[in-house]
Amino acid sequence: GQNIDQPTEMTATEGAIVQINCTYQTSGFNGLFWYQQHAGEAPTFLSYNVLDGLEEKGRFSSFLSRSKGYSYLLLKELQMKDSASYLCAVLNQAGTALIFGKGTTLSVSS
Amino acid sequence: SQTIHQWPATLVQPVGSPLSLECTVEGTSNPNLYWYRQAAGRGLQLLFYSVGIGQISSEVPQNLSASRPQDRQFILSSKKLLLSDSGFYLCAWTERTTDTQYFGPGTRLTVL
Repeated sequence: GQNIDQPTEMTATEGAIVQINCTYQTSGFNGLFWYQQHAGEAPTFLSYNVLDGLEEKGRFSSFLSRSKGYSYLLLKELQMKDSASYLCAVLNQAGTALIFGKGTTLSVSS
Repeated sequence: SQTIHQWPATLVQPVGSPLSLECTVEGTSNPNLYWYRQAAGRGLQLLFYSVGIGQISSEVPQNLSASRPQDRQFILSSKKLLLSDSGFYLCAWTERTTDTQYFGPGTRLTVL
């Protein structure tokens, strides 16, 4: 079966660092994606990991461990505009479809 | 650069009425195209994907259908809407070199 788990909600304060975890059990794996989705809007692409390790992109970093079926998204120097839902998604073996988790709603307060 | 369009942006329809949502992509050729639905409080559910004109794969059985009449056009249809069809419908396309999916602005459908 296909299962992707993320925490439902997280809270943090401006300027802090937050780590959003994602674990997956899928019948195939061809890469892991993170998307950001603000309320009422479409998801926007943040990062892509296909090999183990850390990918850094500005204030955002994403880590992957394929052997553990585990990824995290690290957000540094949090800003109010980072309040959003963060979606973890696994690309299936055929590379034809993304399987999404239910998302983690992050609330950043001042 | 590539852009993806969806219309309409919002739609309110009565139960039992037909549906047609359209998605078009500009600035690329032969993209993979996808339809997702996001119901309130739930994750993104893949409905259909297409790897080429006339080629449609359905991920979940339901009263919706999809068609791809042209390379960069993807249409989601229903003959009779149900209350459970309400949701946020998102079209996406894939950049083949990285498999990254990019989403359109979405259509918010309310079935009353």
